Amino acid sequence: NAGVTQTPKFRILKIGQSMTLQCTQDMNHNYMYWYRQDPGMGLKLIYYSVGAGITDKGEVPNGYNVSRSTTEDFPLRLELAAPSQTSVYFCASSRDAFSGNTIYFGEGSWLTVV
Amino acid sequence: QKEVEQDPGPLSVPEGAIVSLNCTYSNSAFQYFMWYRQYSRKGPELLMYTYSSGNKEDGRFTAQVDKSSKYISLFIRDSQPSDSATYLCAMSVDSNYQLIWGAGTKLIIKP
Repeated sequence: NAGVTQTPKFRILKIGQSMTLQCTQDMNHNYMYWYRQDPGMGLKLIYYSVGAGITDKGEVPNGYNVSRSTTEDFPLRLELAAPSQTSVYFCASSRDAFSGNTIYFGEGSWLTVV
Repeated sequence: QKEVEQDPGPLSVPEGAIVSLNCTYSNSAFQYFMWYRQYSRKGPELLMYTYSSGNKEDGRFTAQVDKSSKYISLFIRDSQPSDSATYLCAMSVDSNYQLIWGAGTKLIIKP
């Protein structure tokens, strides 16, 4: 019973490097999300997708890009990593739009930019 | 002022105590209220979901919404060490609108 799977779990990046956080879900959910979680702050929505081929910006999209070529996969791309992108990243999916009672989260990806 | 305020804690209580966790908010349009539990190094998982005002009970957990005061609460009865986690509140205007999250309260239940 996989649910939402994220990789990698931990990563250290140097300033200016790029990387992709992978996310896949096996629940056939249309909606997928990327959040970041910083100490003392609530979860902030980076990007979301309402279906394959459709993505949109959330609250904090700068410095990130996403794509959604399939229902299952929603990778998050960090270009030119900056220390401000040090955070914990969570991928999530839901059956319905933003419905709080159907959002399932992955286990998180800890990213440090040095 | 943050749209949703939540005391970060930590809140430390002995096993068996009644725990009260709270969030206040500023947007009177919020109608959907949720409590998530997040264990260390894990993703959040839904604990309670309430629409509009009133109480909702599920086992040892009770969620309470007071829209007139813009205040929501989560009560945990007979608290257990396994309840030690960070509790996040989240809310939204409607089911098609993005969630706004509190920062979370870290709860520690001492055996």
